[in-house]
Amino acid sequence: DVKVTQSSRYLVKRTGEKVFLECVQDMDHENMFWYRQDPGLGLRLIYFSYDVKMKEKGDIPEGYSVSREKKERFSLILESASTNQTSMYLCASPPGWLGVMNTEAFFGQGTRLTVV
Amino acid sequence: AQTVTQSQPEMSVQEAETVTLSCTYDTSENNYYLFWYKQPPSRQMILVIRQEAYKQQNATENRFSVNFQKAAKSFSLKISDSQLGDTAMYFCAFMDQGSGNTGKLIFGQGTTLQVKP
Repeated sequence: DVKVTQSSRYLVKRTGEKVFLECVQDMDHENMFWYRQDPGLGLRLIYFSYDVKMKEKGDIPEGYSVSREKKERFSLILESASTNQTSMYLCASPPGWLGVMNTEAFFGQGTRLTVV
Repeated sequence: AQTVTQSQPEMSVQEAETVTLSCTYDTSENNYYLFWYKQPPSRQMILVIRQEAYKQQNATENRFSVNFQKAAKSFSLKISDSQLGDTAMYFCAFMDQGSGNTGKLIFGQGTTLQVKP
């Protein structure tokens, strides 16, 4: 089975802390994504990476950064956590090559982050 | 910019009945993919069904089928013979085929479906 694994299911952090959310995939995919999920807003793209050390901003990158030092690992960093970053964070890894039958994205189980 | 809209925040259906979830999208592209993803209480996102825009035939996967209306930019999901295990949040998603090398998905707001016994 393909696997996307997020390091924590639940996290509670204090305002101002530096927070790392880790995601690991075992599919040898080039692309990895971080989404934020909020009620009534669906999933919004924060950052994505299409290769090691390569990254691109998504729709809501403010307050976040990312790191991709190895192909299988993609980290989301909250430089100084704030209460408005309390949310569910989902990591996803779609296939790098897009064929008709290879369009499925695989998701981690999400990290529910609470900033107090 | 592409957008995806799900106008039904919550729906409920009796077990064994049929329910339809609505989704509309906006794009100026001609080649793209549309998806329905399911997120049960376990939070694991699961692909339910996908549709290639160039295909006129509506996709079906067992009890799940779509009604794809390209001109109207509508993509609804029909669940037949609803089961308790179908209780979940359902997301409609769009992917531009031109951005296929990255696999970037644009999601709707989600519809929470409850199947009642």
